[in-house]
Order: sequence, then C-alpha cells, then structure tokens
Amino acid sequence: DAGVIQSPRHEVTEMGQEVTLRCKPISGHDYLFWYRQTMMRGLELLIYFNNNVPIDDSGMPEDRFSAKMPNASFSTLKIQPSEPRDSAVYFCASSQADYNSPLHFGNGTRLTVT
Amino acid sequence: SQQGEEDPQALSIQEGENATMNCSYKTSINNLQWYRQNSGRGLVHLILIRSNEREKHSGRLRVTLDTSKKSSSLLITASRAADTASYFCATGHNAGGTSYGKLTFGQGTILTVHP
Repeated sequence: DAGVIQSPRHEVTEMGQEVTLRCKPISGHDYLFWYRQTMMRGLELLIYFNNNVPIDDSGMPEDRFSAKMPNASFSTLKIQPSEPRDSAVYFCASSQADYNSPLHFGNGTRLTVT
Repeated sequence: SQQGEEDPQALSIQEGENATMNCSYKTSINNLQWYRQNSGRGLVHLILIRSNEREKHSGRLRVTLDTSKKSSSLLITASRAADTASYFCATGHNAGGTSYGKLTFGQGTILTVHP
C-alpha cells in the first residue's frame, strides 16, 4: 500500500490567496483526519470524517477553513482567504473503523503564507 | 489544553543507552498510543496499549500504562542513532455516541541519540 498521500508537499502563497490541500487516504480506511502542527500549539485536530461524513469540525479555527470528502479516496482542506498565522504543517491521517486502530499519517503539507 | 503531556521535553543520550519518556493525561481513556516523528515527515505509529493493559512490548520498545496515576512510559532499550526523532503520546477517548475515540496528542519529547 502506498500509504496516505498528501499534495502538495510545500505551498508558499501570499496573504489573501486561496489554498487547497489534498489527501488520498489508505484504501479501506473509514476514518480521515486533518491535523495542523505548529511549534507553539503542537498537533491540533481540525476535523475528522467517518465514511466521508464530517463528524467533528470543532477544531476548525475559523470560517476561512473548510474541508470536504467527496468520496472515500479523496479529501481537501481549503483556506480562503489565507493569512500568515495559517503557516503550519498540515497532516492528513486515516484509520480503520475500530477506535483502537492506529492512525496512518501522510508526510504533510508545509504551508507558508507571506 | 493538550490531554497528553510528555516529559522530558528533550532527551539527549549516547548510543546503547536506554531512553525513557513519560506521558501524563487528565481524563479517562480507551487507549494510549505512542508515535514517532522524524524531521520533515509524518507521524509513525509505534505501539498501542488499551486501558485494561498494563504493559506491552514491541521489539526494543516497552510501554507501561498506569491508569490510577493517569500516566504512561515509553522505554527504548539499546538506543541507536536512528532512534533520533520526536516521540508523541496520544490518548483516545470515546466521543459520546460515536464509535471512534478522537486522538489527542501531547507536545512530544525530542530524543537525540549520539553515535
């Protein structure tokens, strides 16, 4: 299995621009998570999906952030408009249905907003 | 606030020595997991221990869980330079009626193993 695939690996954009991060989870995994990692705040759960349905988006910082999962093999995290404080590494992770299952992380997208 | 808090924040040892990292948490859990993160990479799952287990082994890794003290420890024996990474504990909880517990990560311990 190729693992969780995220794109792009790096994104540099100017403040005010729209940013779209993409994720392909491991086939057969029913849960998909978006995390954000910064030095100051560590790893924060933004949102997670079960069978393509958003279950908990309480970690999404503002309305500028939105996430979709149109099918079992693809998810996007969009920031519009982006701000410098959104600079972080964004991780996508997936897991099987069992709540005792480990998460499988992608290698992340490093976002820099100037 | 973060559920899991690792201690120490940073640990520097020589190759061959053992490394012990601790994790404390605040509320009841279903399971506790340990992850490793190499620089510039995603987190990699190391080991999962359920709330009704006290100890678990995987290769050079040994994890203990003390639910009465709400703490866990990760021991890496005979460390190698390749073990240099950040290590995170993550606690899983039930979330009301959902069947999956969200994982909440601590701030991590940075381990440096000198050759």
